Amino acid sequence: QKEVEQDPGPLSVPEGAIVSLNCTYSNSAFQYFMWYRQYSRKGPELLMYTYSSGNKEDGRFTAQVDKSSKYISLFIRDSQPSDSATYLCAMSGNTDKLIFGTGTRLQVFP
Amino acid sequence: GAVVSQHPSRVICKSGTSVKIECRSLDFQATTMFWYRQFPKQSLMLMATSNEGSKATYEQGVEKDKFLINHASLTLSTLTVTSAHPEDSSFYICSARVQGLETEAFFGQGTRLTVV
Repeated sequence: QKEVEQDPGPLSVPEGAIVSLNCTYSNSAFQYFMWYRQYSRKGPELLMYTYSSGNKEDGRFTAQVDKSSKYISLFIRDSQPSDSATYLCAMSGNTDKLIFGTGTRLQVFP
Repeated sequence: GAVVSQHPSRVICKSGTSVKIECRSLDFQATTMFWYRQFPKQSLMLMATSNEGSKATYEQGVEKDKFLINHASLTLSTLTVTSAHPEDSSFYICSARVQGLETEAFFGQGTRLTVV
């Protein structure tokens, strides 16, 4: 079993839809959680960073962490075609290393 | 957010030659930088952890003599692909955490290496 599981998609939604992206994990030591957006042939761009459980909102993006269920989510409201990218969850615990999900490809069509 | 600059963004080299990729943290000091490799439509594969002033820590299966890592200062780490072969063609990305375990990791723009 992988430490971090993420549905690779692709996920295709119409413009304006609410997008829900999710990751599950198995290591209870993880306490730092990140979401990255990666456009084709570019480096990942940090979108959200959350420590421990709870919610965090930034503009159209909301990150949720439920440590009891070992489940994290990223919600994108009012999705735009420019949001079309691969979204990677990442997390770490007692070491510097980040453990990544496989990434979910999102397509937002006009 | 913090800025990590990676250079070059794209390089084509002949088989058997060596290629150096630079990763710089522009507005913060990074005692630890990470080097990843990414194949098309796949996630990032950690190759090694680069520690300033000491030897890099390589992940299992990564040849340390082929992928030389040097972290000479708190703002610069380099990855040298030695005696490159076509199978080394890939997207290489570096990242750095501002400090410690509790902070975000920022990524460079990536380097697309093509070995012909």
